[in-house]
Amino acid sequence: GAGVSQTPSNKVTEKGKYVELRCDPISGHTALYWYRQSLGQGPEFLIYFQGTGAADDSGLPNDRFFAVRPEGSVSTLKIQRTERGDSAVYLCASSPGGPPTEAFFGQGTRLTVV
Amino acid sequence: KNQVEQSPQSLIILEGKNCTLQCNYTVSPFSNLRWYKQDTGRGPVSLTIMTFSENTKSNGRYTATLDADTKQSSLHITASQLSDSASYICVGSSGTYKYIFGTGTRLKVLA
Repeated sequence: GAGVSQTPSNKVTEKGKYVELRCDPISGHTALYWYRQSLGQGPEFLIYFQGTGAADDSGLPNDRFFAVRPEGSVSTLKIQRTERGDSAVYLCASSPGGPPTEAFFGQGTRLTVV
Repeated sequence: KNQVEQSPQSLIILEGKNCTLQCNYTVSPFSNLRWYKQDTGRGPVSLTIMTFSENTKSNGRYTATLDADTKQSSLHITASQLSDSASYICVGSSGTYKYIFGTGTRLKVLA
């Protein structure tokens, strides 16, 4: 596609529910990143994929968070037993790979846990 | 601890005026420094990327500078336009994926 696409753009869920956030990176980009941006803050790193594998998941806050990229393209961020503190904008970015490469961000998914 | 600090937190200027945004970073090992523009409700869009060997880089009316010795960067906006109203985020990177984001400067350009 022309850019990084994230769906849904907005998601409201009840505390304790399970949610999935989807990211379609730019075609051919091998690197994919997930970030979380709380109100008034800069994005915080969650996880980085190089191809199908999670090269670095050190930013995931706890084991309720999990992300996959089974075919090296689309990625899904999964959050179990959501908590109100999970409310944020979840940003996905992709890059062609190789330093220093430009990361292209999607518009984000605004998650609200009520 | 890797961190990026930006100032001012917010800024209001009149259309047509210039402004400069500041960034101090502590990122080790240091790979590159980026400036992003983020419109409300949108993802960040890259403006400039600089490695430690680059002192300045321009993108239209945006000019970024980098002083690797003092670990400071600035973003200068010339002849501001209403569409420049956005948050400007300074980002340090220690590798290809480890981005350390500042909290941003919220710029408002008034007619």
